[in-house]
Amino acid sequence: DTGVSQNPRHKITKRGQNVTFRCDPISEHNRLYWYRQTLGQGPEFLTYFQNEAQLEKSRLLSDRFSAERPKGSFSTLEIQRTEQGDSAMYLCASSLGQGRTEAFFGQGTRLTVV
Amino acid sequence: AQSVSQHNHHVILSEAASLELGCNYSYGGTVNLFWYVQYPGQHLQLLLKYFSGDPLVKGIKGFEAEFIKSKFSFNLRKPSVQWSDTAEYFCAVGGSQGNLIFGKGTKLSVKP
Repeated sequence: DTGVSQNPRHKITKRGQNVTFRCDPISEHNRLYWYRQTLGQGPEFLTYFQNEAQLEKSRLLSDRFSAERPKGSFSTLEIQRTEQGDSAMYLCASSLGQGRTEAFFGQGTRLTVV
Repeated sequence: AQSVSQHNHHVILSEAASLELGCNYSYGGTVNLFWYVQYPGQHLQLLLKYFSGDPLVKGIKGFEAEFIKSKFSFNLRKPSVQWSDTAEYFCAVGGSQGNLIFGKGTKLSVKP
């Protein structure tokens, strides 16, 4: 048990549909990160939250992507009008702070857009 | 922008062989460096980390890494691998926002 929980584990959707993923971080962690991992690549940073505030978004996060962390606890990542290029593993991680702290990862949500 | 290079895409070793996985990073300032491991079907787990101090860092499961500032390197080593070390290994550098910038990973296959 990693402590970071992601749901669903797998999602298959048709192109053009919207999908939403959920991440429950370790309870006392105030930082929450979203990453995307495609085949043959390492995880790539998408965005992060400090408590409920979204503080940084990567250029990878197009306008079709939106993330929220309404009460500073769980977070959701929504992709609107999915495209085949969105197929990837979406990873969530949480930490107590920045820099010299360890990030704990969830098992990810694998998205397949058909 | 910071970047991380891992030189080996796939390494195949026999049990008891020694392991060294290369990692180079691009940033010349103060860096926080990490090695993560992903066993088949499992989440990413931290093997070891370097923030400052002794450049030889000991991690879990007998792994160690050496930070060589002049070479911008943070290579991972293990004297004797086991079949259970079969996994994908990712080197990462801490970004300015506390995020991690990962290399592409090295897949290690250990033959029993």
